[in-house]
Amino acid sequence: QKEVEQNSGPLSVPEGAIASLNCTYSDRGSQSFFWYRQYSGKSPELIMFIYSNGDKEDGRFTAQLNKASQYVSLLIRDSQPSDSATYLCAVTLYGNKLVFGAGTILRVKS
Amino acid sequence: DTGVSQNPRHKITKRGQNVTFRCDPISEHNRLYWYRQTLGQGPEFLTYFQNEAQLEKSRLLSDRFSAERPKGSFSTLEIQRTEQGDSAMYLCASSSQELNTEAFFGQGTRLTVV
Repeated sequence: QKEVEQNSGPLSVPEGAIASLNCTYSDRGSQSFFWYRQYSGKSPELIMFIYSNGDKEDGRFTAQLNKASQYVSLLIRDSQPSDSATYLCAVTLYGNKLVFGAGTILRVKS
Repeated sequence: DTGVSQNPRHKITKRGQNVTFRCDPISEHNRLYWYRQTLGQGPEFLTYFQNEAQLEKSRLLSDRFSAERPKGSFSTLEIQRTEQGDSAMYLCASSSQELNTEAFFGQGTRLTVV
């Protein structure tokens, strides 16, 4: 079982819709959870991080964490074509290394 | 100092040659990470440093790979006797030591082994 799992997609949503990206992790010792956005050929760019159960909102982005279910998600409201990218979920284990999932490709169609 | 800096941005080398990449982290960050990423995959952990100490190295990392961070500032990643399978994007990231803090990535070095 992979430490961090994401659906590879692509996830296609129309412009203006809500995109929902999901991630599960295997190690209950995971402490911090991150969402990165990566455009083709570029390096990952941090969008949000969360470490407490519940929701955390930042502009059009909301991260949701459920440690009991070992599940973290990212909602993107009012999706724009510029949001089309690969979204990487990452977790830190015991405050040490950052472990990534394979990423979900998001396509926002105008 | 506005971010993590990696050099070179691109490197093309012949199989069997050695290559070295450099990463300059954000100045106040004492943790530095190296990752490798191939097409369609997430970044794969290679190794990380806290100050000058190399705290963990991936079991998947061949003996041809070595990383250093001699003064706890910049780091180098060397690949000896490169193989075509080493072709990838090599990413460096840095963070502070504190728990629950984010890691920021450099622009990466794209290695092509021909």
